[in-house]
Amino acid sequence: DGGITQSPKYLFRKEGQNVTLSCEQNLNHDAMYWYRQDPGQGLRLIYYSQIVNDFQKGDIAEGYSVSREKKESFPLTVTSAQKNPTAFYLCASTTLGETEQYFGPGTRLTVT
Amino acid sequence: KQEVTQIPAALSVPEGENLVLNCSFTDSAIYNLQWFRQDPGKGLTSLLLIQSSQREQTSGRLNASLDKSSGRSTLYIAASQPGDSATYLCAVGVPHSGTYKYIFGTGTRLKVLA
Repeated sequence: DGGITQSPKYLFRKEGQNVTLSCEQNLNHDAMYWYRQDPGQGLRLIYYSQIVNDFQKGDIAEGYSVSREKKESFPLTVTSAQKNPTAFYLCASTTLGETEQYFGPGTRLTVT
Repeated sequence: KQEVTQIPAALSVPEGENLVLNCSFTDSAIYNLQWFRQDPGKGLTSLLLIQSSQREQTSGRLNASLDKSSGRSTLYIAASQPGDSATYLCAVGVPHSGTYKYIFGTGTRLKVLA
């Protein structure tokens, strides 16, 4: 089955620790995206990548980092510099020129 | 700056009703508009994608329209069912740093009563 997988589904961390969220796709999509969703708010773009070894900041990149070493993988690291990291994180992908985005199931991160 | 608004924020209807969800955007310079469904605690499922040159798209009981000049899109759901209960999000694709990104609305939470 083709699709996007995110792991883990739930993640708990202590304040001050870095944590990495996984996103893998087997759709052969070129572009991948990370969004954050908070209650009562729309999705906000954190980072995106159009091709391997290249990525751009979105609207709320502070306190986050990414890498794109392989076409199918786009991990997101939430660093201790992120002031309010507790949220639902969604990964998406699309082919270049085909603008329909496909989403993974999400990871709910709780930092205490 | 592009802003996307969805009204109402929540809607409750009896089963069988036809209903319309609204999405408005402030800048007509969009590449496309996409409607999604989100079930509680889940990712987004794409429902319909309308390119900027199109006026509407249909899939089963769903019909989405796009009026770029007025900055509006509507999602029409015919003969609603309890299984349609979910949050519906719209997103517009806009130019960004030589490519494009999506701007999302805050969603309409729909409940269809049996």
